[in-house]
Amino acid sequence: DTAVSQTPKYLVTQMGNDKSIKCEQNLGHDTMYWYKQDSKKFLKIMFSYNNKELIINETVPNRFSPKSPDKAHLNLHINSLELGDSAVYFCASSRKRPGLAGSSYEQYFGPGTRLTVT
Amino acid sequence: SQELEQSPQSLIVQEGKNLTINCTSSKTLYGLYWYKQKYGEGLIFLMMLQKGGEEKSHEKITAKLDEKKQQSSLHITASQPSHAGIYLCGADEKAGNMLTFGGGTRLMVKP
Repeated sequence: DTAVSQTPKYLVTQMGNDKSIKCEQNLGHDTMYWYKQDSKKFLKIMFSYNNKELIINETVPNRFSPKSPDKAHLNLHINSLELGDSAVYFCASSRKRPGLAGSSYEQYFGPGTRLTVT
Repeated sequence: SQELEQSPQSLIVQEGKNLTINCTSSKTLYGLYWYKQKYGEGLIFLMMLQKGGEEKSHEKITAKLDEKKQQSSLHITASQPSHAGIYLCGADEKAGNMLTFGGGTRLMVKP
């Protein structure tokens, strides 16, 4: 069984559109994340979400919004897509929540969603 | 904010050769994590190091964290084509911080 799954795997859309990427984890983890990997392969954290506590990377435009219907899902909504949003987006989850002493950051990553904005 | 630098950026080795990838931080780390990304796929967790001088091994891959907890190396012994991929180091300065990642090292292993 896939531990962390994302859909779709590929997404091609036009500028100005609104789109969503879905993420589900079946590991029973408390914390989920969204990362953006740019064309140079740099991986940057976008959001961390745990029990309704959202930690946002302040560099992320407010066109991006994570939505969590339940603990196993963290979807990424993107409004008014721009060319610069083209990238691979990774969802991840970890068992322990940030802030706990001795937390292990063993994160499990989804396969990624390649977003192309034309 | 913390920065992680990886070297080399890319590496091509002959099958059977040993290789080392380095990850250097500008600050003392709480935890250092190594991941592998196969081309077009997600990241796979390899190892986590937290103590200065710590060393961990898994199959033919060994990771070390220096005493100052600012530099880590990933060593692959007798490389195989299956080792090919992008190796990423990630780190946090304290418990609870989100990880920062290095730029990655692209490894190719020639059969």
